[in-house]
Amino acid sequence: EPEVTQTPSHQVTQMGQEVILRCVPISNHLYFYWYRQILGQKVEFLVSFYNNEISEKSEIFDDQFSVERPDGSNFTLKIRSTKLEDSAMYFCASTQGFSTDTQYFGPGTRLTVL
Amino acid sequence: SQQGEEDPQALSIQEGENATMNCSYKTSINNLQWYRQNSGRGLVHLILIRSNEREKHSGRLRVTLDTSKKSSSLLITASRAADTASYFCATAYYNQGGKLIFGQGTELSVKP
Repeated sequence: EPEVTQTPSHQVTQMGQEVILRCVPISNHLYFYWYRQILGQKVEFLVSFYNNEISEKSEIFDDQFSVERPDGSNFTLKIRSTKLEDSAMYFCASTQGFSTDTQYFGPGTRLTVL
Repeated sequence: SQQGEEDPQALSIQEGENATMNCSYKTSINNLQWYRQNSGRGLVHLILIRSNEREKHSGRLRVTLDTSKKSSSLLITASRAADTASYFCATAYYNQGGKLIFGQGTELSVKP
């Protein structure tokens, strides 16, 4: 069964460093999302992406964040200058249709900012 | 706030018993999805129920949706120790794009 994959599974970085989290969505999916989950808290929406542009972003998704689909398969989340409070599990998700279909989540990347 | 609320926050039962988790939401939805998360791991999709559906089944899982009460429930029948996990409802609100709004989750513990 097709699945969303994410790399790396765990990333440790120093405050102020840039990180890039990578995702490979399911191949025939058209809508892509990033969410995050701070330890012990609920999953929060960050950004949605369709047709090579951002569809919607939350207030968490400030100028330090960016997303890109550099080729036909990868979908990346970049944090330009990490802060301690960026430490969280980051999930990528994809769906075939818009707002009516199942969102399939990847296994997540645990980001630890020291 | 549009965020869904789940109850109970924690539920502890014996193997073989049924577990019921509830989720409430605020405004009109396109669909509501239930996910399971084992400790520190990824989100596994369980069931999607659309706004025009009232009940769906998948194996030992039964999900209901009551749009008049803006609530949904997830029933796990004949629970097993392997069902121990956190369960989240996530709503795709009408006219809010495709993003999902997650609840706080119910932490289910099934004792052998």
